[in-house]
Amino acid sequence: EAGVAQSPRYKIIEKRQSVAFWCNPISGHATLYWYQQILGQGPKLLIQFQNNGVVDDSQLPKDRFSAERLKGVDSTLKIQPAKLEDSAVYLCASSSRGGPPYEQYFGPGTRLTVT
Amino acid sequence: SQQGEEDPQALSIQEGENATMNCSYKTSINNLQWYRQNSGRGLVHLILIRSNEREKHSGRLRVTLDTSKKSSSLLITASRAADTASYFCATDAGTGGFKTIFGAGTRLFVKA
Repeated sequence: EAGVAQSPRYKIIEKRQSVAFWCNPISGHATLYWYQQILGQGPKLLIQFQNNGVVDDSQLPKDRFSAERLKGVDSTLKIQPAKLEDSAVYLCASSSRGGPPYEQYFGPGTRLTVT
Repeated sequence: SQQGEEDPQALSIQEGENATMNCSYKTSINNLQWYRQNSGRGLVHLILIRSNEREKHSGRLRVTLDTSKKSSSLLITASRAADTASYFCATDAGTGGFKTIFGAGTRLFVKA
């Protein structure tokens, strides 16, 4: 079974530029999560989709971050414009059902550096 | 804010020794999970314990949960160099919420 795919793996941009990350979850997984992990910290949930609907986006900085999951499969997370504090690893995860106790499967992440 | 807080922040042991890390959380939970993260395999789910369970085993892993103290511990027995990683506890938000909240993690280093 193929795992969660993410691209790109690394991205370096200047502040105020835009960036987009892509995620392809495990086939058949209805729930998709985007996390932000700052160096030395645990992952912080940004947004959770159930199929193509948003379940939780309470920690998504909506003035600059946006995410969509068209057709309930792939998802894109965008930052526009980026700030220095957005430097982090962005992790995508999927699970067969929403919320605990369902195990989440994580992708390799995209490491973003904002200069 | 983070629900779970791991202790210690960092741990260094010799191969073959046992490693114990703890997690404390603030509000009532339905489940608690432990994840491992290393550079090779990314973030991987290790074990889940439900609020009505007190202890759970999986291979060399033993997890305990004390809901009265709002704490959990992860024991890795007979550690190996390959166990070197960061370990995170993750809880649901409680109050019926499905959001998973991760702690800051314990960094384990196993010396060969």
